[in-house]
Amino acid sequence: GQQVMQIPQYQHVQEGEDFTTYCNSSTTLSNIQWYKQRPGGHPVFLIQLVKSGEVKKQKRLTFQFGEAKKNSSLHITATQTTDVGTYFCAGNTGNQFYFGTGTSLTVIP
Amino acid sequence: KAGVTQTPRYLIKTRGQQVTLSCSPISGHRSVSWYQQTPGQGLQFLFEYFSETQRNKGNFPGRFSGRQFSNSRSEMNVSTLELGDSALYLCASSLVVGGANVLTFGAGSRLTVL
Repeated sequence: GQQVMQIPQYQHVQEGEDFTTYCNSSTTLSNIQWYKQRPGGHPVFLIQLVKSGEVKKQKRLTFQFGEAKKNSSLHITATQTTDVGTYFCAGNTGNQFYFGTGTSLTVIP
Repeated sequence: KAGVTQTPRYLIKTRGQQVTLSCSPISGHRSVSWYQQTPGQGLQFLFEYFSETQRNKGNFPGRFSGRQFSNSRSEMNVSTLELGDSALYLCASSLVVGGANVLTFGAGSRLTVL
């Protein structure tokens, strides 16, 4: 069945360092979304990527969708303590979302 | 505008009991989906309802069921609870915004099974 794998599972960085999480799907996706869940909170939508090879930026966050539409990445430049949380990718095939296992980011001040 | 409301927020049950969780979506959202979140498994899709019809179902046993009412409010039920059912159950309503089918999550119902 459909699987979406995400690595790494955990990442600790010093404040100011960069951070990247990678998402890989076993099948081609219609689109991919990214969500952020703060500790004790619920997932919040960040962005959606639809086109093959698409790159989108939100301030210090850069999102990429692979050419084959089977992988994606989220890169944060110069992390801040406000970036702490778990980042999930969610592959979409029609009406169903397949969430990755998430990457938990800890930022050490 | 009010967000997605889930009740109860916390509950404790014992093995063999059943539980019903409620979700009120954002006004105007007709799609409601349910997810189980556990530390080791991430977010697992349970089912999705649209206009009172189950449109998609995840890979969970028949003990997990749900329904949606005409006002789009949804309930999920878990019967014959097992210890492994302890989890955060998240409900999300969705609406297409700018071409994106965006999920808006509620705060969740944290279930502990003893």
